[in-house]
Amino acid sequence: EPEVTQTPSHQVTQMGQEVILRCVPISNHLYFYWYRQILGQKVEFLVSFYNNEISEKSEIFDDQFSVERPDGSNFTLKIRSTKLEDSAMYFCASRAEMNTEAFFGQGTRLTVV
Amino acid sequence: AQSVTQLDSQVPVFEEAPVELRCNYSSSVSVYLFWYVQYPNQGLQLLLKYLSGSTLVESINGFEAEFNKSQTSFHLRKPSVHISDTAEYFCAVTQITGFQKLVFGTGTRLLVSP
Repeated sequence: EPEVTQTPSHQVTQMGQEVILRCVPISNHLYFYWYRQILGQKVEFLVSFYNNEISEKSEIFDDQFSVERPDGSNFTLKIRSTKLEDSAMYFCASRAEMNTEAFFGQGTRLTVV
Repeated sequence: AQSVTQLDSQVPVFEEAPVELRCNYSSSVSVYLFWYVQYPNQGLQLLLKYLSGSTLVESINGFEAEFNKSQTSFHLRKPSVHISDTAEYFCAVTQITGFQKLVFGTGTRLLVSP
């Protein structure tokens, strides 16, 4: 069964460092998303990506964040200068088309120290 | 904008007992509704969804949810739970237009004990 793959599963980084979280969406999907879940809180939408551009972003997704689909398979989330409050579980999701379900990856747990 | 309320942060039940996990939503536009499950140390898996048609939807492992538009609810039920149902359950909504980002509730941890 096709699945969304995220790497790494856990990343520890020092405050101020740049991190790149990687995702391989399901191959024929067209819509891509990043969500995050701070420990003990709800899953929050960060950004959606379609047709090689950001289609929607939340207020959380400020200038420190960026997304890229550098080739036909990867979808990355970059945090330029990490802060302690960026510590969270980050989920990538993809969807084949509108009105279908979104499939989620296993998540990357980011710990900023 | 949409919002989702899951009032119960934790629901402890005994094995083979029935359970209901509550979900209420708020939206000024038409929405689709979902329940996702997160088992320990795993990602989010779709449990069931309401897009249109029958307001009662069922999953393959015995869960069901009923869309009630007048009460803006989408409660999840199972008549007899198993130990393996222990997990975090998230209710989510998305508006039917646009790029369909999901808006999640805070989650309910279902704890099934023998």
